[in-house]
Amino acid sequence: DVKVTQSSRYLVKRTGEKVFLECVQDMDHENMFWYRQDPGLGLRLIYFSYDVKMKEKGDIPEGYSVSREKKERFSLILESASTNQTSMYLCASTVGGGKTTYEQYFGPGTRLTVT
Amino acid sequence: AQSVTQLGSHVSVSEGALVLLRCNYSSSVPPYLFWYVQYPNQGLQLLLKYTSAATLVKGINGFEAEFKKSETSFHLTKPSAHMSDAAEYFCAVKTDKLIFGTGTRLQVFP
Repeated sequence: DVKVTQSSRYLVKRTGEKVFLECVQDMDHENMFWYRQDPGLGLRLIYFSYDVKMKEKGDIPEGYSVSREKKERFSLILESASTNQTSMYLCASTVGGGKTTYEQYFGPGTRLTVT
Repeated sequence: AQSVTQLGSHVSVSEGALVLLRCNYSSSVPPYLFWYVQYPNQGLQLLLKYTSAATLVKGINGFEAEFKKSETSFHLTKPSAHMSDAAEYFCAVKTDKLIFGTGTRLQVFP
């Protein structure tokens, strides 16, 4: 079974703090994604990566950055956390290139609260 | 631009009743379509997917969905609801990226 793990299930941070959310997948997937989930808005794509050290902005990248130094790990960074970044963050991965079935595998999510 | 619309943010059914969750999509190219389920405090899990093979797609836990190009719809159904089906359901369309609907929360009453 594909496994996508996220470093924390719940996180509470203060405004202005730098926040790191970590995601690891164990299926050698090329593509990895970060979404945020908010009530009534569904999932919105923040950033994605299709290879090590490669990244692409999604629909709502402002206030976020990402890092992918190893194929299995994709980090989301909040440079200076703000209260409007309180949300559920979901990581996902999928096989890339010609092998892809486009099915994304999701981690359990990190519920971040910024106070 | 591609988009997906889920009609009804909340749906309530009695145990044993038919479940119908509606999804309409907009796409300029033949789409890949997905239904995901999210149980409380968990990530999303794939229920089923349409990838231009059979128009009636069967998924896990007794769910199925029918792709209707003329109606641009991909509604999710289950003949008989169980209490364990209570969750949030997301429809998604994939063209160059995966676009999710806003979700439908299903409640099942005994």
